[in-house]
Parts: sequence; structure tokens; C-alpha cells
Amino acid sequence: QLQLQESGPGLVKPSETLSLTCTVSGGSISSSSYYWGWIRQPPGKGLEWIGSIYYSGSTYYNPSLKSRVTISVDTSKNQFSLKLSSVTAADTAVYYCATITDSSWLQYWGQGTLVTVSS
Amino acid sequence: NFMLTQPHSVSESPGKTVTISCTGSSGSIASNYVQWYQQRPGSAPTTVIYEDNQRPSGVPDRFSGSIDSSSNSASLTISGLKTEDEADYYCQSYDSSSWVFGGGTKLTVL
Repeated sequence: QLQLQESGPGLVKPSETLSLTCTVSGGSISSSSYYWGWIRQPPGKGLEWIGSIYYSGSTYYNPSLKSRVTISVDTSKNQFSLKLSSVTAADTAVYYCATITDSSWLQYWGQGTLVTVSS
Repeated sequence: NFMLTQPHSVSESPGKTVTISCTGSSGSIASNYVQWYQQRPGSAPTTVIYEDNQRPSGVPDRFSGSIDSSSNSASLTISGLKTEDEADYYCQSYDSSSWVFGGGTKLTVL
């Protein structure tokens, strides 16, 4: 069973870049069985898909965030990462990483990490 | 952009049956699989239904999923409600290289 763990700063200043890493254990990030995704949830609000990456490096981004998002994979560390630039208070959220099967099922989730955007 | 619409909240008594709907904004909801996630406060979402009507191991058969093409909607039905079922429920699907969530439904069991 795959396990995912998010890591990164819990506080980011406005206009700066939010950077998070998801470490995968129990399987290889190079597996063709999964896409690797980022999802966020602002306090008291619903889930929002941010973007996904396939092991080949193909990326897919939420159109509403596309201009600010970069997702990458580091196969040597079995990790994938999220960068969100020019953040504002509206980007304050719990950020989750997840595996996505080819049937679009977000099968395994990390526990989530709260990122607050504040000066 | 494709959207999934859920009722904001539903409530029902223990032992009863409740159905939560998830309506697609366009196209055919049957074209891609629908998943349902349960989220309790402070926890990550967990799957209760995947691929329209499949239950992961450990999810009781009180949970079931279905697709109605005529209304372009998916439904999550929970029978024999228990107080522990009180949570937020999200439907999720895929369209045009985007993974999409419904806005979520707060289920109150009272």
C-alpha cells in the first residue's frame, strides 16, 4: 500500500512562492500505474484539484491556477513537488498530495499540510 | 469547464436511508468514472465509492453508488444511517484533462 507525506513551510509571505514536496513510500513514483496529484482545501471550504503529473513528466493543471503552478517529479528521491507562485491570502489552505489511477480515482492521500499565506 | 453540483447539506435520522446527488454540468457523466469521498473534520478524505459503484475494502455495503444518465447525475446512497456517517461527502470525476470535485455535501445524522 502506498503512503504519501507532504512537507514544506507552513507559512509563506504574500507574493512569494509556495513550495511543497510529497514523499512516496511503498512503491515507485516511476510506476506507470498512477498519476500523482495535488489538491487543496481552504479552511471551511471544499476540495480543489490543483494539478497532476504522470511519471513520464506530462503535466495537467487546473485552468484557474495554470499560470502560477508547476508540478515536477524527482524519481531519485521518489518525490513529486508543487510550486505555486505569487501567492495571496486566498491560497491559504490544507494541501494534499494523492495518487490517481487511470480511472481517475484518487486512491491514496497524504495527511495534508496547512499552508498559511501571511506577512 | 465541467462542473459537478451537489446539495450543500442533507440530514436524516439514524437507521434511515439518504441519497446525495452529484449532477454534471455538461456532456455525459457516464463518460468517466465517478468517485465519492468521505471527509471527517480534521482528516484527509477517504474513498467510499470508486468507479461509479465499487466499494473499497473495509467500506460497509450500506454505501452504494449509481449513475443516472437521464439526469446526468451520480448518486451516493447510505442506508441504515449511523451517527458515525456524519461527515462531508464529495463526488469527483474527470473531464478534458482535469480532475473535478463537487462542492461537497454536509451529511447530518440526527
